[in-house]
Amino acid sequence: EAQVTQNPRYLITVTGKKLTVTCSQNMNHEYMSWYRQDPGLGLRQIYYSMNVEVTDKGDVPEGYKVSRKEKRNFPLILESPSPNQTSLYFCASSFSRLGTEAFFGQGTRLTVV
Amino acid sequence: GQQVMQIPQYQHVQEGEDFTTYCNSSTTLSNIQWYKQRPGGHPVFLIQLVKSGEVKKQKRLTFQFGEAKKNSSLHITATQTTDVGTYFCAMEYGNKLVFGAGTILRVKS
Repeated sequence: EAQVTQNPRYLITVTGKKLTVTCSQNMNHEYMSWYRQDPGLGLRQIYYSMNVEVTDKGDVPEGYKVSRKEKRNFPLILESPSPNQTSLYFCASSFSRLGTEAFFGQGTRLTVV
Repeated sequence: GQQVMQIPQYQHVQEGEDFTTYCNSSTTLSNIQWYKQRPGGHPVFLIQLVKSGEVKKQKRLTFQFGEAKKNSSLHITATQTTDVGTYFCAMEYGNKLVFGAGTILRVKS
């Protein structure tokens, strides 16, 4: 089954404790991205990757890192989480950069206390 | 930077009433996409519009792309309880896919 898999689905952590949210897709998609969703703000892009070893900042990259060592995986790293990073996070992938639908993972609900 | 305005932010309708959400861009678009997110779920692709003035239908949903390719609308005829959720437009700006803030639809039965 074609899918985007994120883990974990829920996470509660403390300020400053490094964490990684994993994302994997099995559709051989080139383009992957991370979004955060906050009430009233919609989905805001954090980082995106156009292919292996090619990543770039989205609209809200501060406090986040990503890597794309393999085509299927695109982890999101929070080196020192802060409470303002409490949010719902979605990973998405699409076949190419433009004009193709994005497939979303199930989401990760992160709470930083 | 790019701006995507989506209105209304929230709409509560009686089952059987119509619903419309609108998106506007500050720049001319190559295409626009629409997504639906059910409560507690993830966004799911509905459709993509590419041509100026394009109109596409999916059962009770009608999608329009403006003549100037700067605005779009999603209209639902005779809403049902299964239509509840948040509807997002999404626009490509360079290498980014930028989403509107979404319109939350609630349907009273």
